[in-house]
Amino acid sequence: QMQLLQSGPEVKKPGTSVKVSCKASGFSFPGTTVQWVRQARGQRLEWIGWIVVGRGIPSYAQNFQERVSITRDMSTSTAYMELNNVRSDDTALYYCAAESGLYCTSSSCPLAFDIWGQGTEVTVSS
Amino acid sequence: SYELTQPPSVSVSPGQTARITCSGDALPKYYAYWYQQKSGQAPVLVIYEDTKRPSGIPERFSGSSSGTMATLTISGAQVEDEADYYCYSTDSSGDYRLFGGGTKLTVL
Repeated sequence: QMQLLQSGPEVKKPGTSVKVSCKASGFSFPGTTVQWVRQARGQRLEWIGWIVVGRGIPSYAQNFQERVSITRDMSTSTAYMELNNVRSDDTALYYCAAESGLYCTSSSCPLAFDIWGQGTEVTVSS
Repeated sequence: SYELTQPPSVSVSPGQTARITCSGDALPKYYAYWYQQKSGQAPVLVIYEDTKRPSGIPERFSGSSSGTMATLTISGAQVEDEADYYCYSTDSSGDYRLFGGGTKLTVL
């Protein structure tokens, strides 16, 4: 069964950091790309960034470039998203998503993120 | 900054065809993807690379793209298709991904 299991809810004070984990199982972790997306209550989905797992190369949305770090641990098939200097408007549900590989061809993968974690609630409050 | 523009809401009766549009200047160059998100749940991929349907997604879901507009069509919409739908694509620089503002589909 292909799945992503995220870490539990976090409550943080403004100015601190939060690190969310995303453990993959049932599909090829080295062969995938893991992206991070967040959603404030009642708001749209917002792309944070991704990491090409095999190469360990991250890419970040411009809005987050100064504060976010996406990494992975191949030994545990886990991806991480760390957000620094958090503020109240970072309060949201954070999702990781990955590409299963089912829709890849011999030459490329479509970056179709068909496996999603259950979401991690991050609350920033003084 | 680059944006993908969707209508905030679309409403149809059961059995009718629902069409949800997504406009963006870079869509002629980059694929559109569509995600369905039901209340309290994680998003689900329903269309990738403009027109392709993942396994397990009903045939009534289809996608198309022409010029600067991509369209998600639900032929014979059902009550269980009520959800928020988001388009997703690449920005004009080619470096970043982004979501549209989302469209709330009501089927009643």
